[in-house]
Amino acid sequence: DQQVKQNSPSLSVQEGRISILNCDYTNSMFDYFLWYKKYPAEGPTFLISISSIKDKNEDGRFTVFLNKSAKHLSLHIVPSQPGDSAVYFCAGGNDYKLSFGAGTTVTVRA
Amino acid sequence: DTEVTQTPKHLVMGMTNKKSLKCEQHMGHRAMYWYKQKAKKPPELMFVYSYEKLSINESVPSRFSPECPNSSLLNLHLHALQPEDSALYLCASSHKTGQSYEQYFGPGTRLTVT
Repeated sequence: DQQVKQNSPSLSVQEGRISILNCDYTNSMFDYFLWYKKYPAEGPTFLISISSIKDKNEDGRFTVFLNKSAKHLSLHIVPSQPGDSAVYFCAGGNDYKLSFGAGTTVTVRA
Repeated sequence: DTEVTQTPKHLVMGMTNKKSLKCEQHMGHRAMYWYKQKAKKPPELMFVYSYEKLSINESVPSRFSPECPNSSLLNLHLHALQPEDSALYLCASSHKTGQSYEQYFGPGTRLTVT
């Protein structure tokens, strides 16, 4: 039972442009959502979170938008940089437990 | 400092061996986690410790045995593993920010069972 879905397995974007990563969920009981970036053979790096009672959170180049009625969230990265090339996971949280999506591989082209 | 450290970085063990994975954090987080991650898959939760007590066990086989000696340390004892247990084992710790438990992950231990 996959509660969090990232339907785009990959995304290619030109350096300097916006990257938009999407995530859909089915569990309306999630209290919060997190985004992580992961390089090969490393642990995930926390990027940004959003509470279920908010619709937007911004931190530097990263902005997360939450649309509760559509059960959809998105991560915007502006501007995209070569170091942003990685796998991005979204996760829905309820208390201690996270449910992760399958991930989206982002490639930033020079 | 948002660092979670894990040792060893790599481990190769036979099916009859006993070994332990170690995790440490000094961020004052009171929740610590073990995850298993297979290639090209998201992390799967194994165990959660909250205030040094086992809070969640996701029906993990008994050949994996967690231990939390104090608020900064988390161990995972391994015994009689199977080749399908080969994976990246991730430790994480978290603090509560509003409603969120923002989890910070270590670099992982790459385990190979032969």
